[in-house]
Amino acid sequence: KAGVTQTPRYLIKTRGQQVTLSCSPISGHRSVSWYQQTPGQGLQFLFEYFSETQRNKGNFPGRFSGRQFSNSRSEMNVSTLELGDSALYLCASSQGLVETQYFGPGTRLLVL
Amino acid sequence: AQTVTQSQPEMSVQEAETVTLSCTYDTSESDYYLFWYKQPPSRQMILVIRQEAYKQQNATENRFSVNFQKAAKSFSLKISDSQLGDAAMYFCAYRSASRTDKLIFGTGTRLQVFP
Repeated sequence: KAGVTQTPRYLIKTRGQQVTLSCSPISGHRSVSWYQQTPGQGLQFLFEYFSETQRNKGNFPGRFSGRQFSNSRSEMNVSTLELGDSALYLCASSQGLVETQYFGPGTRLLVL
Repeated sequence: AQTVTQSQPEMSVQEAETVTLSCTYDTSESDYYLFWYKQPPSRQMILVIRQEAYKQQNATENRFSVNFQKAAKSFSLKISDSQLGDAAMYFCAYRSASRTDKLIFGTGTRLQVFP
C-alpha cells in the first residue's frame, strides 16, 4: 500500500499570503490529523477529520482551517500568514479515530 | 489531562551497543495505546513500535523492544545492536483507545550513534 503523501513538500510564502497544503491518506484510512512542528514548540496538534467532519481541534487561531473530502483526502489552509507560521506541517492517517497514526513526509513552510 | 514526559533530551550509543530511551506518562484511563516514533533528518515520522495497554506482554519489533510498566506508567524503548541508521529523534506518544482524542507526544530524545 502506498503511504501517506503530502504536497507540496516545500513552500515559500510571504507574510499576509495564504497557503493550502494537501494530504492523501493511506488507502482505506478515514481519519486524517494535522500537526505543526517547530523547534520552539515541538509537535502541536492542529485538527483531526473523520468522514469529512472535524472531530478534534487544537489550540490554534481561526486562520488555520481544514477540510476533508469524500475520498478522505484532506487540505489545510492558513490565511494571513505570519512569520511564526514557518514550520514543518505533518499529516497522519489512521483507519479510525483511535487506531495507529501513520505519518506523511511533511510540508516545510517558510514564511518570509 | 494526559501527559507524556521524555526526560532525556539527548542520548548517545556506540554502534552495535544497546541503548534505552525513557518515557513516562500520566493518565487516568485504563485503555490506551503507547507508541515510539522515529524522526530521522529526513523529518518523516516513522512508527517504530506500538503497545496496547491491555497487553501485559512487551512489544518487540526486530532490534526494538519496549519495557512497559503499566502501574509505574513507564514505557521505555530498548534498541539492541545499534546501527548508524538509528540516529534520529525519538518521540514517545500516547493515544486513548476509548475516546476520540489526539496523539499526545513527548518532547523527544535525540539519539546519536557513534561508529
